[in-house]
Amino acid sequence: GAGVSQSPSNKVTEKGKDVELRCDPISGHTALYWYRQSLGQGLEFLIYFQGNSAPDKSGLPSDRFSAERTGGSVSTLTIQRTQQEDSAVYLCASSFGQNGYTFGSGTRLTVV
Amino acid sequence: GQQVMQIPQYQHVQEGEDFTTYCNSSTTLSNIQWYKQRPGGHPVFLIQLVKSGEVKKQKRLTFQFGEAKKNSSLHITATQTTDVGTYFCAGPSGGTSYGKLTFGQGTILTVHP
Repeated sequence: GAGVSQSPSNKVTEKGKDVELRCDPISGHTALYWYRQSLGQGLEFLIYFQGNSAPDKSGLPSDRFSAERTGGSVSTLTIQRTQQEDSAVYLCASSFGQNGYTFGSGTRLTVV
Repeated sequence: GQQVMQIPQYQHVQEGEDFTTYCNSSTTLSNIQWYKQRPGGHPVFLIQLVKSGEVKKQKRLTFQFGEAKKNSSLHITATQTTDVGTYFCAGPSGGTSYGKLTFGQGTILTVHP
């Protein structure tokens, strides 16, 4: 597609439920990144994919967070047993080579 | 680990005034990137600087990369209300030239008409 597509755009979930967030990067972009942004805060790195492999998972906050990427394209970020502190905007970005990131519009996750 | 600091955290200006935000990295960077996030929006890539001492201009925006490749600045001349937003700098981690970016905490710019 023309840009990075994320779905859903908004998600309200009950504490303790699992959620899946989807990212569809720009076609041909080999690198894909997940970041988290809490209200009024900066960008917190979660995980980075190069192709289907994840060379850097160092930002995942706990083992409740996992992510995968299939076919070198779509990625899914899964949060199990959601907690209120997981509430944030989850941003996906993709890039090719040494070029800058193209971000998606994000998924706003609210845990109630 | 690598840290990227930005100052100021907030800047309020009258339309027509100039604005500068500064970015400092704890480590030498292979390149530095700047992003703009409008209120309610997502970060949008503005520019990448690679060479020591590099200066690039985009209309009223001037970007500089320090000689030691550890600091950078963004200067906006004669701000307009369309410049409102948060400006982030970011650099690659671990001395690489690609991959994961570490972002500064951003400078929130407010422009009063």
